[in-house]
Amino acid sequence: EDQVTQSPEALRLQEGESSSLNCSYTVSGLRGLFWYRQDPGKGPEFLFTLYSAGEEKEKERLKATLTKKESFLHITAPKPEDSATYLCAVQALDFGNEKLTFGTGTRLTIIP
Amino acid sequence: DAGVTQSPTHLIKTRGQQVTLRCSPKSGHDTVSWYQQALGQGPQFIFQYYEEEERQRGNFPDRFSGHQFPNYSSELNVNALLLGDSALYLCASSLYGGSASRYEQYFGPGTRLTVT
Repeated sequence: EDQVTQSPEALRLQEGESSSLNCSYTVSGLRGLFWYRQDPGKGPEFLFTLYSAGEEKEKERLKATLTKKESFLHITAPKPEDSATYLCAVQALDFGNEKLTFGTGTRLTIIP
Repeated sequence: DAGVTQSPTHLIKTRGQQVTLRCSPKSGHDTVSWYQQALGQGPQFIFQYYEEEERQRGNFPDRFSGHQFPNYSSELNVNALLLGDSALYLCASSLYGGSASRYEQYFGPGTRLTVT
């Protein structure tokens, strides 16, 4: 069964203090790993898809990286508006499978 | 470019009742997936619809059923509501076929269902 574990559960940073969020996964074969941002009471907002180990993608202050066992979401010089829950999900490379298996998320708070 | 829309925003039902939630996919998308998100948890996959048929189903009982219409919009129906069905119900759309980006799922704002 596919499993995704995110750490830490919650993270408080000062504005400008860079850090990383971790997503460890177990899947029979990985088709893709997805990062989403979710604000309270809203739907997840798509950020990145990573398909193979060694791949990196960047968007503003965020950079996502992928290895064979985990992914990291690096946040550089965060601002208060980066405060949100960040969700990681995997999609297994099984025929006919398109479901996303999510972790429980990391709740990020950026203090001005 | 119209994103994924869902209705209603909030809903309060009594245990044992039935509920229907609605979703319109992002413009250009033809596949709809439904997820249930309990408070403090990640979304859990319910099922996916493509070409008006259920293509894949998660570990949810038969009380959860769905439908997809010719215009790609979709409904989620839940019968015999339980207190444990209280959650945020999310609809996600994607495009079947084509490039690698077809696996990307875009979510709507969700419907908050409260069962009392």
